[in-house]
Amino acid sequence: TQLLEQSPQFLSIQEGENLTVYCNSSSVFSSLQWYRQEPGEGPVLLVTVVTGGEVKKLKRLTFQFGDARKDSSLHITAAQPGDTGLYLCAGVRNTDKLIFGTGTRLQVFP
Amino acid sequence: GAGVSQSPRYKVAKRGQDVALRCDPISGHVSLFWYQQALGQGPEFLTYFQNEAQLDKSGLPSDRFFAERPEGSVSTLKIQRTQQEDSAVYLCASSLVLGLDIDTQYFGPGTRLTVL
Repeated sequence: TQLLEQSPQFLSIQEGENLTVYCNSSSVFSSLQWYRQEPGEGPVLLVTVVTGGEVKKLKRLTFQFGDARKDSSLHITAAQPGDTGLYLCAGVRNTDKLIFGTGTRLQVFP
Repeated sequence: GAGVSQSPRYKVAKRGQDVALRCDPISGHVSLFWYQQALGQGPEFLTYFQNEAQLDKSGLPSDRFFAERPEGSVSTLKIQRTQQEDSAVYLCASSLVLGLDIDTQYFGPGTRLTVL
């Protein structure tokens, strides 16, 4: 059972469009991470958000941590084919493991 | 390379066979994690080591799953009497410093296990 629900599950868009991926939970996390995973590879860390309400920007990607530290969003501006992949949020509660979300598979067409 | 490596990358087993999956973490990394990722899903935690000590094995699905890290470096995940529901990608990750809940975990490419 995964405690973090992501939506949408699948997203197929044209190059240049904007999109938002949501990560929701009823549990509080001390921090939350976002990963991108490409086929045949392991997840790669994009960002860690720690403070409730925190917003971090990484080029065209904007990450937000909810005020209550239960949810997060990832917004991509002007998506490019290179953004294609599986996006995963992961909550951190203890020092010993990550609790991953259900994943959002993004396909960006040229 | 300096990253986490896993072997084999692909493993096909007949139902009932035993398999062993290997993880070589980044040199000097204290913590090592195993995750199971079903097709199209997010990874799920299996077990965690600090050096050679297995501190958490709460995610192991059954007693057919066993993990070890005898010298605090290489780790092996063993699955006995494999079943079809064991088919998944098994990911290994390592991190440098124990005790920081925002420490970065570096993932290997995974081993894709298919049980026929």
